Amino acid sequence: KNEVEQSPQNLTAQEGEFITINCSYSVGISALHWLQQHPGGGIVSLFMLSSGKKKHGRLIATINIQEKHSSLHITASHPRDSAVYICAVRSHNTDKLIFGTGTRLQVFP
Amino acid sequence: EPEVTQTPSHQVTQMGQEVILRCVPISNHLYFYWYRQILGQKVEFLVSFYNNEISEKSEIFDDQFSVERPDGSNFTLKIRSTKLEDSAMYFCASSRDFSSYNEQFFGPGTRLTVL
Repeated sequence: KNEVEQSPQNLTAQEGEFITINCSYSVGISALHWLQQHPGGGIVSLFMLSSGKKKHGRLIATINIQEKHSSLHITASHPRDSAVYICAVRSHNTDKLIFGTGTRLQVFP
Repeated sequence: EPEVTQTPSHQVTQMGQEVILRCVPISNHLYFYWYRQILGQKVEFLVSFYNNEISEKSEIFDDQFSVERPDGSNFTLKIRSTKLEDSAMYFCASSRDFSSYNEQFFGPGTRLTVL
């Protein structure tokens, strides 16, 4: 069983739609990361959070530590948001990140 | 804005050859990491490095792999005798310190193709 599970695996949307990507994890964590990977392969960090909610532009990330669950929301989605979104967790007393399999998002005009 | 850089962007090598992948972490960062992503699979942790020694490594990081910080700026991953299954995207990352409040910044990756 994967320690980090994401859903859905694939997601298509029309421009302007509200997007939600979910992440569940089974280990105790000190932090959770949301990352974006574009077709060229590079990884960009979107958020790092350990509690509550963070917002950056049209992106919102929330985490519920008790339920071991996090969500990434994209408001007013745009074709340039098309990418793979990856959830990764850092468990206690370790410096490595454990990655989910990613959610492939395609936003059509 | 400071960023992690990696060279080369793409490396093609023959099976059995040695390769060295290079990374320049952000200058005031103290923790360095290598991850890999086999095509179509998730990103996997390889190794973390602090104070000129390995602080943690995964089961993937066997005797064929080594890491080094040869000078004050570069951080390298060496694969001694490459295998076909080493073909992957290799990402370097760095963070300011060990605290969970410090995020890891990723480089653009090196695509390694072993023929």
